[in-house]
Amino acid sequence: NAGVMQNPRHLVRRRGQEARLRCSPMKGHSHVYWYRQLPEEGLKFMVYLQKENIIDESGMPKERFSAEFPKEGPSILRIQQVVRGDSAAYFCASSPSTGGAKNIQYFGAGTRLSVL
Amino acid sequence: AQRVTQPEKLLSVFKGAPVELKCNYSYSGSPELFWYVQYSRQRLQLLLRHISRESIKGFTADLNKGETSFHLKKPFAQEEDSAMYYCALSNSGAGSYQLTFGKGTKLSVIP
Repeated sequence: NAGVMQNPRHLVRRRGQEARLRCSPMKGHSHVYWYRQLPEEGLKFMVYLQKENIIDESGMPKERFSAEFPKEGPSILRIQQVVRGDSAAYFCASSPSTGGAKNIQYFGAGTRLSVL
Repeated sequence: AQRVTQPEKLLSVFKGAPVELKCNYSYSGSPELFWYVQYSRQRLQLLLRHISRESIKGFTADLNKGETSFHLKKPFAQEEDSAMYYCALSNSGAGSYQLTFGKGTKLSVIP
């Protein structure tokens, strides 16, 4: 099992461009979480998705940010018209779909977004 | 609102000395607490989960609801314990299972 895969590992964008971050969950996991980590801060929850459904997006900024987890393919976190303040490390986590293991989240290596 | 506080940004101890990384939380429901660890150049990984009540790599953590704490302890630190440690709380009561993290403590074990 390759674990949670995120790509790209590093992404550089200019202000106003779009950023697309991808996350493939662990095999057999159907729950995906996105977190953002600013410098010197802990990880902050953004959004929780199951296949084709957004379950909790209470941590997502109201504008420019969106997420999806289609029936086929990876989960995508999309940031439109990036600004310098979007520069951060973005982490994806996945968890199993059943039982008490729902609460165990397995993390990817993260995508470091730099906005010039 | 739930919150996790790790008061120490950096903790340095000598090899063989006891270690305690502090974590306090605020949460109105019944919390589930975790410790995650990130070794140099590796991804974040689960170290301990309070409901498991187990010892991993010599580390233990007890949930103290009276003091709203979940401190991580190890009697004898090893050099390989040097890493970033994050305490986290799960909002499982709302059906979302999102984790709320503290800012982390960097543990440095001096040989």
